[in-house]
This record gives sequence, structure tokens and C-alpha cells, in this order.
Amino acid sequence: NAGVMQNPRHLVRRRGQEARLRCSPVKGHSHVYWYRQLPEEGLKFMVYLQKENIIDESGMPKERFSAEFPKEGPSILRIQQVVRGDSAAYFCASSQTGTSGGAYNEQFFGPGTRLTVL
Amino acid sequence: SQQGEEDPQALSIQEGENATMNCSYKTSINNLQWYRQNSGRGLVHLILIRSNEREKHSGRLRVTLDTSKKSSSLLITASRAADTASYFCATLGWNTGFQKLVFGTGTRLLVSP
Repeated sequence: NAGVMQNPRHLVRRRGQEARLRCSPVKGHSHVYWYRQLPEEGLKFMVYLQKENIIDESGMPKERFSAEFPKEGPSILRIQQVVRGDSAAYFCASSQTGTSGGAYNEQFFGPGTRLTVL
Repeated sequence: SQQGEEDPQALSIQEGENATMNCSYKTSINNLQWYRQNSGRGLVHLILIRSNEREKHSGRLRVTLDTSKKSSSLLITASRAADTASYFCATLGWNTGFQKLVFGTGTRLLVSP
């Protein structure tokens, strides 16, 4: 019963490089969420995906950031041309279903990827 | 100020004492949840309270919800050094349509032996 897995756990990039963060949801979960946590702050929603679809990307910066959740394989959060301000912990969560008729399905969080931009 | 603010920002107590943390939010909610985060680690889900509930217990945890005041409190009784962590409230609004949790800024709890 593996939970949400994220890799790498720590990622160091120089300014201008690309960062790829991977998230494997709980087996059987088809809903994935990405959150970002800046130092000493709470988590901020970035994007919500279902298999092959982006449902809500209202928290994603307009440039350099993209996310996907393909039919096969993990969800990927991609940050192009990283800057120092991208340094943060990025958390992925998954749920079995989405909200339906007010019913809520618990999100299970991964251990996070800590990105450091030099 | 943002949705889901915790108060106090930091709390330092002795083992055996009770710790109370408060959370305020702005919009109507479906539910409110509390999470714990140990330093440099992921989130651990502690408890969920729905908008039609007023109080919920889980072990040494007691959560209250006052929707008229848009506030919640988390009480940890008989605290232990292992309770040292940051605690976050997170809300799910009725209008979001999707499971977009809105987190507060957190309370850092330090329990000294």
C-alpha cells in the first residue's frame, strides 16, 4: 500500500536550468494536485489534474510552469528557466475521486520535493 | 489577509500542558482540516470537520468549528515532545467546485520536555 511518491526528494538547479518533479499517486487514484510551500509559509494550490486533463490551473504562474498527468506514468511538474524565487518545497497530493455533490474525498500528500535554485 | 490564518504563529509549552491553536477563514466552507508538518517533512492529515459539525475528537485532539465566526480551534491535550511540529488548517470552499484546499500560514508548536 504505497502512498503518494515524489521524486526526487531534493533537487538542486542553477538559474536558467529546467526542473522536473515527478509524482506517482496512490494506486487507483486518478486525481492529482500540486501545491507549493515557500519557506516559513503554508501550502499554496497550484494545479489540479485528472488523467490527461488539466482541470484547474488557477494557482500556476503564467510563465515557465507546466504540469501534466498522462494516461500512463506519473504526473510531472515542469519548471523552465528556474530562478531563485522558485526555491520551495513542492507537494503532490492525490485523491480517489473529485468532489461530487458536496462529498469530499481526502487528499493524500506525498513527502514533497525540495527545490533549491543556486 | 489570506484565507485560513492560524493564531498564534508560534507556541511554546511544556510537556503535559495543553496547546490550543486557532484558525480563521473568510468564505463559506464545505469542510476544514488540520494537518501536521514536522520540520522538513510532508503533511500528515490529522482531522476533518464538516461545515455542519461543531466539534470532533480524535485521540488527544479536539477540533471545534464555529461557522458563524468563520473560525476553528485545534486543542492538543497532554502534549508530548513528539507533538513539536507546524500545524496548518486548510479549508475547502463550497464554490471552488474542485478540491482546492486553501492552507493557512501555520502555527509552530514547540513542546519542551
